[in-house]
Amino acid sequence: DAKTTQPPSMDCAEGRAANLPCNHSTISGNEYVYWYRQIHSQGPQYIIHGLKNNETNEMASLIITEDRKSSTLILPHATLRDTAVYYCIVRGYNFNKFYFGSGTKLNVKP
Amino acid sequence: GAVVSQHPSWVICKSGTSVKIECRSLDFQATTMFWYRQFPKQSLMLMATSNEGSKATYEQGVEKDKFLINHASLTLSTLTVTSAHPEDSSFYICSARTIEVRGPKTEAFFGQGTRLTVV
Repeated sequence: DAKTTQPPSMDCAEGRAANLPCNHSTISGNEYVYWYRQIHSQGPQYIIHGLKNNETNEMASLIITEDRKSSTLILPHATLRDTAVYYCIVRGYNFNKFYFGSGTKLNVKP
Repeated sequence: GAVVSQHPSWVICKSGTSVKIECRSLDFQATTMFWYRQFPKQSLMLMATSNEGSKATYEQGVEKDKFLINHASLTLSTLTVTSAHPEDSSFYICSARTIEVRGPKTEAFFGQGTRLTVV
């Protein structure tokens, strides 16, 4: 699986959009980008995933660059409950395992 | 999303004893379950992949005789930490995939984790 690089931490004001970047410059054509988050002392929670098109669901939007070497997770209106570690994971098609990188600690402040 | 439940949520055991952690998929059948370990302020580390009815596959550096994994049914996998020592104290998390769907459209569902403290 391709390695991902994320900033260790980010701050965001409550109510504003949180934009979390992820670099995956070695991603191959059949690998998907997944985003999970982990709130303190809980198991990871699935957020969204995509291949090359932008994706949106009730939680977030995922923007993938045209060359697919980077992506951005967008939480449109961050709340205090969105404070968590966000993990960007690249996984091959039909490949079982998820390997977690170091993630980004998002601090949403009032 | 689907629900994965772990039991117990936390456990304290004496050094040298064994402790079993259960991982159940409550509303779906999981052919594959995964076990992770997480030390404080670190990321999740994949320990092993558990397939129903067959032996688990361990990641490099993980002792299979110390971390016994059993996946006897499509809804239950267990992790037994044998002869536990204080350095085994950690947050253990399981994950499961559904049986019906494979490929990129399948996200993994995670349990709430088990905090193990060995004293």
